[in-house]
Amino acid sequence: DVKVTQSSRYLVKRTGEKVFLECVQDMDHENMFWYRQDPGLGLRLIYFSYDVKMKEKGDIPEGYSVSREKKERFSLILESASTNQTSMYLCASSFVQASRYGYTFGSGTRLTVV
Amino acid sequence: DAKTTQPNSMESNEEEPVHLPCNHSTISGTDYIHWYRQLPSQGPEYVIHGLTSNVNNRMASLAIAEDRKSSTLILHRATLRDAAVYYCIRGSSNTGKLIFGQGTTLQVKP
Repeated sequence: DVKVTQSSRYLVKRTGEKVFLECVQDMDHENMFWYRQDPGLGLRLIYFSYDVKMKEKGDIPEGYSVSREKKERFSLILESASTNQTSMYLCASSFVQASRYGYTFGSGTRLTVV
Repeated sequence: DAKTTQPNSMESNEEEPVHLPCNHSTISGTDYIHWYRQLPSQGPEYVIHGLTSNVNNRMASLAIAEDRKSSTLILHRATLRDAAVYYCIRGSSNTGKLIFGQGTTLQVKP
């Protein structure tokens, strides 16, 4: 069964900590995405990557960075976690033609920053 | 890239059909229409997608208007497990990404 795996379902971190959220896909997808989801705001794109070592900013990149050293792995980094980054984080992957083939999502990581 | 428009919420009775509407009046001729659903504390999961013709799979049917300005997701017999947020999504051929709207929260009553 093909899938996208996020390393943690729940995470609690302290303000100021550096936080790594990991995502791995086994479908040989070229594209990978990081979204955050908040009540009333829907899914908002943070960063995406269309190839190894390539990245592009999404709609809300401030306070985040990403790393894609291997095709199957896409990491989201919170350089210095803040309480306003408490959210559900969703990773997704797709073939190049995502508009046609759609995304596969992970189960999400619910991050709480205290 | 404009988002789609859906009702905020809908209710259905168990074992009855459900028709979830979506408006995408500005969609381009090469944009696909995708439907995903999201259960509580889960990531969105694929339901169905199409371009021009109506589509059927084991989960649902997708009826696309002839002018492609709207579509309807049809769940033939709703179950309690179908209670979720349903997203009608535009697959943008311009950006190569899926454009998510706010979704419809479907409540299924026993």
